Amino acid sequence: EVELVESGGGLVQPGGSLRLSCAASGFTFSSYGMNWVRQTPGKGLEWVSYIGSRSDTILYADSVKGRFTISRDNAKNSLYLQMNSLRDEDTAVYYCARATIHGYDNWGQGTLVTVSS
Amino acid sequence: EIVMTQSPATLSVSPGERATLSCRASQSVSSNLAWYQQKPGQAPRLLIYGASTRATGTPARFSGSGSGTEFTLTVNSLQSEDFAVYYCQQYYNWPTWTFGQGTKVEI
Repeated sequence: EVELVESGGGLVQPGGSLRLSCAASGFTFSSYGMNWVRQTPGKGLEWVSYIGSRSDTILYADSVKGRFTISRDNAKNSLYLQMNSLRDEDTAVYYCARATIHGYDNWGQGTLVTVSS
Repeated sequence: EIVMTQSPATLSVSPGERATLSCRASQSVSSNLAWYQQKPGQAPRLLIYGASTRATGTPARFSGSGSGTEFTLTVNSLQSEDFAVYYCQQYYNWPTWTFGQGTKVEI
């Protein structure tokens, strides 16, 4: 059974940093591109970042480009999101999601990031 | 960016009835359209992809149709566990796959 478990969320002040992790199991992690998707009450679901199976392709939404860094460790079956220069509008539940040619077929349970002073 | 618009925002139905949800894309996405179900406190779950193909584990009472810019999700004979928020998503424009704002199906 595919399982994705995020961790690392919490309360951080504007301008601060946070590192999210996603532990994957139940599938060959190194064969799949992975994404971070976030959800807010106001903007709904928003794609944040993508990383290819071998870290060969890395892409970011314009809203986080230059501030967030996605990475993965296939030996540890783990996905990461380093978030710097956090803003109020980055407050959201962050999900890691496995990408296929048919959309996001598996999601983690999400981790809440709150940016507030 | 392809904008996805869902209607209605909220749909009130009774158990056993049929629910029809709509999704419109600002430009053609062919059949690269998925539907997700989200219950409170849970992550979205893929229900339908390719506009009309049920994902593994999706009950047969869920059906999707449409192509291009107009899509429909139909839920026949609503069960109590079907009351949730439903999102459409285009995966035509990789990687900026965009979602609709959701339709809440409530009793």
